[in-house]
Order: sequence, then C-alpha cells, then structure tokens
Amino acid sequence: EADIYQTPRYLVIGTGKKITLECSQTMGHDKMYWYQQDPGMELHLIHYSYGVNSTEKGDLSSESTVSRIRTEHFPLTLESARPSHTSQYLCASSHRDRVTGELFFGEGSRLTVL
Amino acid sequence: GNSVTQMEGPVTLSEEAFLTINCTYTATGYPSLFWYVQYPGEGLQLLLKATKADDKGSNKGFEATYRKETTSFHLEKGSVQVSDSAVYFCALSAIIVNSGGSNYKLTFGKGTLLTVNP
Repeated sequence: EADIYQTPRYLVIGTGKKITLECSQTMGHDKMYWYQQDPGMELHLIHYSYGVNSTEKGDLSSESTVSRIRTEHFPLTLESARPSHTSQYLCASSHRDRVTGELFFGEGSRLTVL
Repeated sequence: GNSVTQMEGPVTLSEEAFLTINCTYTATGYPSLFWYVQYPGEGLQLLLKATKADDKGSNKGFEATYRKETTSFHLEKGSVQVSDSAVYFCALSAIIVNSGGSNYKLTFGKGTLLTVNP
C-alpha cells in the first residue's frame, strides 16, 4: 500500500483566496508530481520534481507554483484562486530506481472556487 | 512524441459480462505499459503492468498482454463485478533524454469509465 497523503481532500473557497494543497510521502521517493484532472477524467501533468530544490513545469500550463524543500513534501500553491482553478488535483511519487516508471498516487484534493 | 489511445467510454455492462477495453500506443524504443484504476472519489492505483513484449500483466482477474507487433495493451476480464465500476487508464512509460539527463515519463490515455450493473 502506497504511503502518499494529500490534504485537504475537499476544499471550497472564494475567489481571490490563497490556497496550498499539501502532499507528503513516507516512501523516500525522490520524484514527485502534480496532475490536474478535469471533469472529463483526463490527466494533465502540471508540475514535477526530481529531488530537493528541483521543480519543473509540466505539459499543461498552470498558474499554480510548487516547492520541494524536503524530500517527503511537495506542496502546491495558488496565490489567488479563480473559478477556472476548480478541479481535482492528484499528487504522485516514484522512486529513482524503479526503472519502469511506476507512479504511486495520493487520493486527490478536490478544489472548488466560488 | 509518445501517445496512448484508449477506447472511449462510457462502457456499461451487466455483472458477469466479459470486459475488453482497447488500448494502443505510439512510442519510440521499448516502453513499459500500465493499466491504472481510479475508483470513485479516490486517486489512481496501479492495476497491472508489463515491461517487455509478450509479457502478460494480471491482477484481480484482469489481464493485459504487451503486443509489440500491434502496439496494443488491451485490458480484459472474464467476469466483471459491480465493484469493478471505476475509471481505467492505460499508460506508457518511456525514457526522455534532455539537458537534465534521462528520466522516465508517464503518458496516460484519456480514461474509460466502466459501470457494472447488478
């Protein structure tokens, strides 16, 4: 069973608020990822990190930012939330030596911006 | 670039019916192939995988065979249950080489919603 945790699971906030979605893993994985999942289910990679102090933009442009100060922690921040940010956000991790590229996912954070 | 094309849903079946969800891919080299499942309200979890041609991945009664000649990795189950209702994602993992070195990148299909009725 994967040990990767996301909080909050559900968040409803007003426009203009700053929010941070937390993601932590206890598996010692060096690689971590954030995916945005639209209502049509499709997954879009928005950020990834290959280790501490490493962050990269993903395939889909996002107004969110991420940081990787500790191996186990990969938070995502929106400075000023807007209704267009309403979505499900999924965090994932993988191990450097898992050459097949298998990912372990958290349960997701569903964000609704009013 | 790499891509994954999977059968569009939704797919609705009766309990004990046979399931096939088609998945084909385009990739250079020799990717690893995966099926992930997402149950309602949850994140994705790995269902099965295959890392080389002719490998068969299997788990929980589901099977998929890595067919290099047809670039396919179709998911099958002989008798589905109501508890199998979920979204299924086909994915491939391939090495990407850039200025930062070489790393594995996962490419997902768009997902197929399966509903199994009692």
